[in-house]
Formats: sequence, C-alpha cells, structure tokens
Amino acid sequence: DGGITQSPKYLFRKEGQNVTLSCEQNLNHDAMYWYRQDPGQGLRLIYYSQIVNDFQKGDIAEGYSVSREKKESFPLTVTSAQKNPTAFYLCASSFQGAGNQPQHFGDGTRLSIL
Amino acid sequence: GENVEQHPSTLSVQEGDSAVIKCTYSDSASNYFPWYKQELGKRPQLIIDIRSNVGEKKDQRIAVTLNKTAKHFSLHITETQPEDSAVYFCAASRGGANNLFFGTGTRLTVIP
Repeated sequence: DGGITQSPKYLFRKEGQNVTLSCEQNLNHDAMYWYRQDPGQGLRLIYYSQIVNDFQKGDIAEGYSVSREKKESFPLTVTSAQKNPTAFYLCASSFQGAGNQPQHFGDGTRLSIL
Repeated sequence: GENVEQHPSTLSVQEGDSAVIKCTYSDSASNYFPWYKQELGKRPQLIIDIRSNVGEKKDQRIAVTLNKTAKHFSLHITETQPEDSAVYFCAASRGGANNLFFGTGTRLTVIP
C-alpha cells in the first residue's frame, strides 16, 4: 500500500535511548495503529488512534508512547523503559466508518539493540 | 479480550494441491474476519475478508468460510502455486474501535 510510509526501514537503539518511528499516510484514513511483530508470533497492538489528538493503549503499550497531532501522522516512540524493543514494527491505517474497514499496512521498521 | 488461535503453524503442500488454514476466536461479538498474507520482511497484505452476515466468500483461488456458532473460520487456497508460499495471518474484530486481534500465523510452503 504505497499510501502508508514508515521510516526508517532499519533502526538501532542504544541503552537508555528513546527512538521515534515515523508513520505517515496519504489515504485520508481516520484511524491509525501500531503493531509489534516478533518471530513466531502474530501482530500485537501497541497503540491506536481513531481521531486527531486522541489515542488508546493496546495490549502491549508499556514502554511506548505516541502522538496524533495530524491526521496523516502517528509517530511511535520506543522509550528506554521498553527493555526488549528488538522487533519488527508495523503501522496500519483504516477508515473509521460504519461497519468494519480493512486495515492497510506500511512496510515496517526493524528495530534492534546496539 | 479476544483470543484468536490459528492452526497449523506450518503447512507444506505440493503445487496444485489445496491448502486449508483454520482459526478459532473467543469473542462472540467479533463480526469481521480478515486474512493477511506476509512475505518475508514485507508488509502484511489483505487477501480476503468476511463479515459475520455471510458464511462464505470466494475470490478466484481463495475462499474463506465462517461458522459463527462454532466460532471458527478457515482459509482455503486451491490449485496452489509456488508464489502462494508465505506466512498467512487470520484476525478478528468486533467493530467499534476496529481493533484487530491476530492469530500467530501459518507458514505455507508450496513445493514445485
């Protein structure tokens, strides 16, 4: 889905460092989501946002923070409190209308510890 | 919350054979069930989805069936091809906040 752009593709974090993953979409989607993917596991929801200036915790929000200041953007910060941040991070977006709307994903950011 | 279980975790089939992946869910309020295909290191791609008001949906070689009473749904791929090799994820959602709960994935290998 070319309308969702994640950057960077690879990211390395040092001990005690906060890092921010970017997610931008030009699909005019209302809702945006962050998932974490570990080997052999499904995608787990970190945070989601249905509207600008509002967001909700998912199943594994501890050690992460987000903001939604613009409809197009939903950056994720991995804080130093997240002790096991090595994973593949996927951003998704969808319309938020009546009924369920498909979620479309970006290409992901692979985060590793230095 | 919702719990989605997916089986098998790995599946190997000969080219041309059919493949079936099964998922169960726990929340009877779930009403939307998408399937995603993910190739190595790439984004998940939506391949088919089904809503709870229908029992079956088909798109060329791919079909999904839903049994609301038993709370399970399945992906069927017929006439498999090597390019079908990937990891497939099922998911369930109850609408509202539109959060998806994913299964743990099935690695499908199609042997030429």
